[in-house]
Amino acid sequence: DTEVTQTPKHLVMGMTNKKSLKCEQHMGHRAMYWYKQKAKKPPELMFVYSYEKLSINESVPSRFSPECPNSSLLNLHLHALQPEDSALYLCASSQDLLAGGPWGTDTQYFGPGTRLTVL
Amino acid sequence: KQEVTQIPAALSVPEGENLVLNCSFTDSAIYNLQWFRQDPGKGLTSLLLIQSSQREQTSGRLNASLDKSSGRSTLYIAASQPGDSATYLCAVRPDGGATNKLIFGTGTLLAVQP
Repeated sequence: DTEVTQTPKHLVMGMTNKKSLKCEQHMGHRAMYWYKQKAKKPPELMFVYSYEKLSINESVPSRFSPECPNSSLLNLHLHALQPEDSALYLCASSQDLLAGGPWGTDTQYFGPGTRLTVL
Repeated sequence: KQEVTQIPAALSVPEGENLVLNCSFTDSAIYNLQWFRQDPGKGLTSLLLIQSSQREQTSGRLNASLDKSSGRSTLYIAASQPGDSATYLCAVRPDGGATNKLIFGTGTLLAVQP
């Protein structure tokens, strides 16, 4: 099973709302990622968690707050977003951060994404 | 700063044709390179991963090559089918550090006409 699930599929929120995106994997992966993808653009890395600890924060505004409550779950808490934050938010996981092997323990498996619209 | 470019940006071919997608990167110091496909509004599906020490990887009708010294990778799709229609993205993992940060290319939108 190489499935990463994300909920909700779609989310519409106002600029004063607080909402959360959820990501889950049951592959025993210890690294999890959040990406943001604008229309017709490649994904851009936001955060990386390794063994439930924040490993990378790509200078993301504080209105995005990640959380990794356990090794299977990754949340992204949203507060006071701007219309320009509207995008597809993708979660990914990998076995580890370490490279190696023909397929690589760092091969990233992506979820289907949450389409976020900020009004 | 690593930059990844894909040419062409869009490609339309008739069904059954063999095709090549190109990916180039400016810094040859990479751990590996990964090819993904993305259907409209969906997540990414990993197709192939090539380690920096490898020259190519094959999976079914797909063959990816890597020439690290020249900063190039190609994805060859044999006997294309309408179901291959999608955006294809390459991504490099820079060398150095334990961080699995992928830098994505600009993507190639492929349309296979029945």
